[in-house]
Amino acid sequence: ETGVTQTPRHLVMGMTNKKSLKCEQHLGHNAMYWYKQSAKKPLELMFVYSLEERVENNSVPSRFSPECPNSSHLFLHLHTLQPEDSALYLCASSQDLGRGNTGELFFGEGSRLTVL
Amino acid sequence: AQRVTQPEKLLSVFKGAPVELKCNYSYSGSPELFWYVQYSRQRLQLLLRHISRESIKGFTADLNKGETSFHLKKPFAQEEDSAMYYCALTTGGFKTIFGAGTRLFVKA
Repeated sequence: ETGVTQTPRHLVMGMTNKKSLKCEQHLGHNAMYWYKQSAKKPLELMFVYSLEERVENNSVPSRFSPECPNSSHLFLHLHTLQPEDSALYLCASSQDLGRGNTGELFFGEGSRLTVL
Repeated sequence: AQRVTQPEKLLSVFKGAPVELKCNYSYSGSPELFWYVQYSRQRLQLLLRHISRESIKGFTADLNKGETSFHLKKPFAQEEDSAMYYCALTTGGFKTIFGAGTRLFVKA
């Protein structure tokens, strides 16, 4: 596998379920991101991890809980979601080039989430 | 507030015609701007960045700080250019803000 891989590609869950989205990058990058893509809205940055530390948390509700166990893996744990959380969740990675230069973002194909 | 605006949701042109996808940004600092593209059934990927000043697949984009714009241009559109195009702004650190996107449709 190369690039950024996301699983599952599709997920349907009830509001009381607990599920997780997984992202894995094989590019040797040191920064990983979660974005939310809803219909008719721009991509929304949710979380950023650099060197396994969370460096950005964009006022995301606590029902979304990220985890970055190492620089190659990123999870998004989901619990008690709402129907309005249904969206495409995109994972991305980049190489931190220092001095605030993160370089190009490499995206996964996304996990399509439907909350019933 | 930092913002990226792409005023056109859909742009339709004929093959061989020039195309310009508009992007305006709002940022008080020194911006780093990108164009990303998503072809049908493919993942979102970088098309070009303003720092590189390069032409990719015939596309160019010039940063105009006076007009806070970063429009994407191609003199002769091809059918394979049909895709969703996103303008993006990196404000330093790890924050990249995307516009809402413009769907380009190139007709034969």
